[in-house]
Amino acid sequence: AQSVTQPDIHITVSEGASLELRCNYSYGATPYLFWYVQSPGQGLQLLLKYFSGDTLVQGIKGFEAEFKRSQSSFNLRKPSVHWSDAAEYFCAVGGGSNYKLTFGKGTLLTVNP
Amino acid sequence: DGGITQSPKYLFRKEGQNVTLSCEQNLNHDAMYWYRQDPGQGLRLIYYSQIVNDFQKGDIAEGYSVSREKKESFPLTVTSAQKNPTAFYLCASSIQANSNQPQHFGDGTRLSIL
Repeated sequence: AQSVTQPDIHITVSEGASLELRCNYSYGATPYLFWYVQSPGQGLQLLLKYFSGDTLVQGIKGFEAEFKRSQSSFNLRKPSVHWSDAAEYFCAVGGGSNYKLTFGKGTLLTVNP
Repeated sequence: DGGITQSPKYLFRKEGQNVTLSCEQNLNHDAMYWYRQDPGQGLRLIYYSQIVNDFQKGDIAEGYSVSREKKESFPLTVTSAQKNPTAFYLCASSIQANSNQPQHFGDGTRLSIL
């Protein structure tokens, strides 16, 4: 069975600081990996995805993520956080011909001025 | 603009009542999904549909029902059998029901008990 763990429930950073959100997955083959962002009372917006190839993927809003197979990780990073980045972030995993995306429980990001 | 529209944004249910949440998409996607979101629980799949007139149970289908009579519409009914319906419900769609296809989400419906 596939699973996702986001170890940090809540992270607080100062505006302008760098950010790394952790995601660890469990899947028996090459996974499909996604990061989504959710603002309060809104749906989820896709930030970036990894299927194959270059292990460092670029997304929208200045985010990037790195796939590390040896560590079963897909951490999300941003070099300089803006106040508008405050939201909840979800990592998701899927694979093969399986229809299912499994989501982590999310990491809430607070940005201090 | 193409997208997914969920309505209403807020919904209240009385004891013993069935309520229906609407989800419409104009993305021409074959696959549609319903998720339930509870605080600190992430998203859990209720039902999904790969194509018109077909749907399958997800992880937490008990107390819910769906229909898929049109490609663009996938309404979710929360029945009186669902004893804890208070949650945020999200509808999503993808080109096909394959996990290599990104899912696009609506803005959700928040359901509460009166």
